Amino acid sequence: AQTVTQSQPEMSVQEAETVTLSCTYDTSESNYYLFWYKQPPSRQMILVIRQEAYKQQNATENRFSVNFQKAAKSFSLKISDSQLGDTAMYFCAFMGATQGGSEKLVFGKGTKLTVNP
Amino acid sequence: DAGVIQSPRHEVTEMGQEVTLRCKPISGHDYLFWYRQTMMRGLELLIYFNNNVPIDDSGMPEDRFSAKMPNASFSTLKIQPSEPRDSAVYFCASSIGTSGAGELFFGEGSRLTVL
Repeated sequence: AQTVTQSQPEMSVQEAETVTLSCTYDTSESNYYLFWYKQPPSRQMILVIRQEAYKQQNATENRFSVNFQKAAKSFSLKISDSQLGDTAMYFCAFMGATQGGSEKLVFGKGTKLTVNP
Repeated sequence: DAGVIQSPRHEVTEMGQEVTLRCKPISGHDYLFWYRQTMMRGLELLIYFNNNVPIDDSGMPEDRFSAKMPNASFSTLKIQPSEPRDSAVYFCASSIGTSGAGELFFGEGSRLTVL
């Protein structure tokens, strides 16, 4: 079974600075997808960024980027120019890429990020 | 599109009562997932459906929990009888499986409190 580990329960960063959230996972599959979801106090889960394991290039979405190290099974999220609105729980998630499409998403326990003014 | 719609947003009930949580997925999505979120256990997958058929219910805690998807636009998660340890936020999510990207779109969740 796949597992996802987020070793930082809480982190804080000053506004406009950069912060990196860690995630490691365990799987025997060769192809899969990795995600970072954000859950603000409003509770809604929002996709931040995703990475296909077969792609070498790290995904980026504006201020958000990942450092995907397939051999090390590591998938960290970097937030640049942090904003107050980035304050939220961040969840790393794994999904196996089976034929036929979607499968279940396995989540880490989350990292609570606070951006301080 | 309105997104995934869940109801009720909040539910407070007494131990032993039946609870029904409802979900309307995004139109055209063929996968539907029920997750439970607690402080202790994080986000746990309870069950998921593909084209209205349950695929994996291994996460359903016990027989007190049941889920149905009578059609492509509606699903329910029922707890009968409810217990205080069922208190959690229950999320419904949907996705298009054929995209291969597996992005799940979540509802706003139903916060259940069992007294």
